[in-house]
Formats: sequence, structure tokens, C-alpha cells
Amino acid sequence: EAQVTQNPRYLITVTGKKLTVTCSQNMNHEYMSWYRQDPGLGLRQIYYSMNVEVTDKGDVPEGYKVSRKEKRNFPLILESPSPNQTSLYFCASSFWQTSTDTQYFGPGTRLTVL
Amino acid sequence: SQQGEEDPQALSIQEGENATMNCSYKTSINNLQWYRQNSGRGLVHLILIRSNEREKHSGRLRVTLDTSKKSSSLLITASRAADTASYFCATDVGGGSEKLVFGKGTKLTVNP
Repeated sequence: EAQVTQNPRYLITVTGKKLTVTCSQNMNHEYMSWYRQDPGLGLRQIYYSMNVEVTDKGDVPEGYKVSRKEKRNFPLILESPSPNQTSLYFCASSFWQTSTDTQYFGPGTRLTVL
Repeated sequence: SQQGEEDPQALSIQEGENATMNCSYKTSINNLQWYRQNSGRGLVHLILIRSNEREKHSGRLRVTLDTSKKSSSLLITASRAADTASYFCATDVGGGSEKLVFGKGTKLTVNP
């Protein structure tokens, strides 16, 4: 089944404790993105990747890192999480350009930083 | 900065009625997409309309695009309780950028 998977689905952590949210897609997509969703603010793009080893900042990249060492994986890294990073996170992928192609979203990761 | 903004923020209708949601954006675009999100779950792509298209249909969905007014509308005909969800428009920011900007969404409730 074609899908985007994220792990973990739920995470409660404390300020400053490094964490990684994994994202994997099995559709051989070139493009992958990370978004955060907050009440009243909608979805905002954090980072995106157009191919292996090619990543770029979205609208809200501060406090996040990403890597794209393999085509299928695009982990989101929070080196020193803070409470303002409490949010619902989505990974998405598309075959062609993000802006011109259907994006397939993962189920989301609900992160709470205490 | 917010590129697309949906209107209304919330909409409540009875089953069988039509639902119309609007999206306005600020800068020129190449494409506009509509997505649906059931509560707390991932977004699902509904339809993409290109800047040179004025109208597109998919099943009970009808999307229009007016580039002169920088606006789009999503019409769901003969709504069902299962259509209850939030609906988002998403636009590129032009200039070849890969950024995709989402609006804040319209929360649609269809009452049985």
C-alpha cells in the first residue's frame, strides 16, 4: 500500500532533550516536506527536500533540522526542543514539485514539549 | 506570511445541502490545491487547478479559480455527514519556489 509513515505518532518530552521524528514513504517520491499545524495558524512548512542531499527552508525552520540521505526517508530533528514546538507535525511527499503535484500526507505526530 | 485564506472559518449545513468555501490569496500563483483533513488526521488531496484553468470538477466537487480576483471557491454538492472535515487551500508562491502555503482552513460540519 502506497503510504507515508511517521513515528512516533505521539510524543511527550521535556525541554532540551533531543528528539527525532522519522518519516518514510514507499512511493519513490522525489519531494518531501515537513509541516507543523497549530490552532489558528493552519499548516506551515518547516523544511522541504527536492531530492537526496537537497534540502531547503520553509516558512518556520528555526529550531529544526532535517536530512535526506536516502530517497525514502526524511527525518525531522529537534536538537533542543522548547515548549513553543509543541504542535502537530505532518510529513508529506510528492512525485514532482511540491507546488504542482499532489502531496501525500502522513498520519501526523503529536508532540508535547514540557 | 499567509498566502491563502479561507472563508468562512466555520460552516454548518444540513445533509443534502451544498457547501461553498472560498479561498483568497495575495500573490500570483501557478497552481491552487484543495485538501481535506478529518479531525487530527493527515490531509488528503482533493483537487488541483492550474492558473490557466477557470473551473474543474471531481465527483461532487467543483472548484473555480479567478486569477483577476485572486480567489478560488470549492463547492461540495449534495453534502453528506461524511463530508464533515476541515478544508484547506494551498498555493505556491510563484517564482519557481517549492514552498507551498496553506490557509487556515474552513471547518465544515454536515448535520444528518
